[in-house]
Amino acid sequence: AQTVTQSQPEMSVQEAETVTLSCTYDTSESDYYLFWYKQPPSRQMILVIRQEAYKQQNATENRFSVNFQKAAKSFSLKISDSQLGDAAMYFCAYSSMDSNYQLIWGAGTKLIIKP
Amino acid sequence: KAGVTQTPRYLIKTRGQQVTLSCSPISGHRSVSWYQQTPGQGLQFLFEYFSETQRNKGNFPGRFSGRQFSNSRSEMNVSTLELGDSALYLCASSWWTGGMQETQYFGPGTRLLVL
Repeated sequence: AQTVTQSQPEMSVQEAETVTLSCTYDTSESDYYLFWYKQPPSRQMILVIRQEAYKQQNATENRFSVNFQKAAKSFSLKISDSQLGDAAMYFCAYSSMDSNYQLIWGAGTKLIIKP
Repeated sequence: KAGVTQTPRYLIKTRGQQVTLSCSPISGHRSVSWYQQTPGQGLQFLFEYFSETQRNKGNFPGRFSGRQFSNSRSEMNVSTLELGDSALYLCASSWWTGGMQETQYFGPGTRLLVL
């Protein structure tokens, strides 16, 4: 069965600095999708970034980028120029045909932004 | 385009009662998935509906059920509520294209408290 592990329960970063959140996963599939979702205190789950496993190029969305290491089964999220509004829980998630495309979630990392 | 909406946003029930939660997907999305989020178990997949048919089901007891209507709106029902059913229930909608589920977009959730 596929699993997703986020080993950092909490991270903190100074405003305007860069922070990297870690995620590892376990799968025997070769084709799958990885996501980072953000859940602010409002509890709304918001898509941050998506990566297709067949694409070697790392996905980027403005200040958010990923480091996707397929062989190592690692999928980290880098947030540049951190802003107060980035404070939230960040969840790494996996989906594939083998999981019927249901999202399999990590436990989450709480990101604190220090002003 | 309007996002995923969920009603009600907050609900308080007592043990033994039943509850119905509603989810309206993004226009054009025919797939609706439900997830339960609790502090202890994290995010867990409940079920997915597509074109009024339940296609996937997570590992939850039969007290949890759902349905989808012809306009893609979905409801989930929990009967004989237990204290452990207190959770945030998240609904997500997506397209399916080429046999693959696209990115899931989430509603604001319904927070259920069982007393």
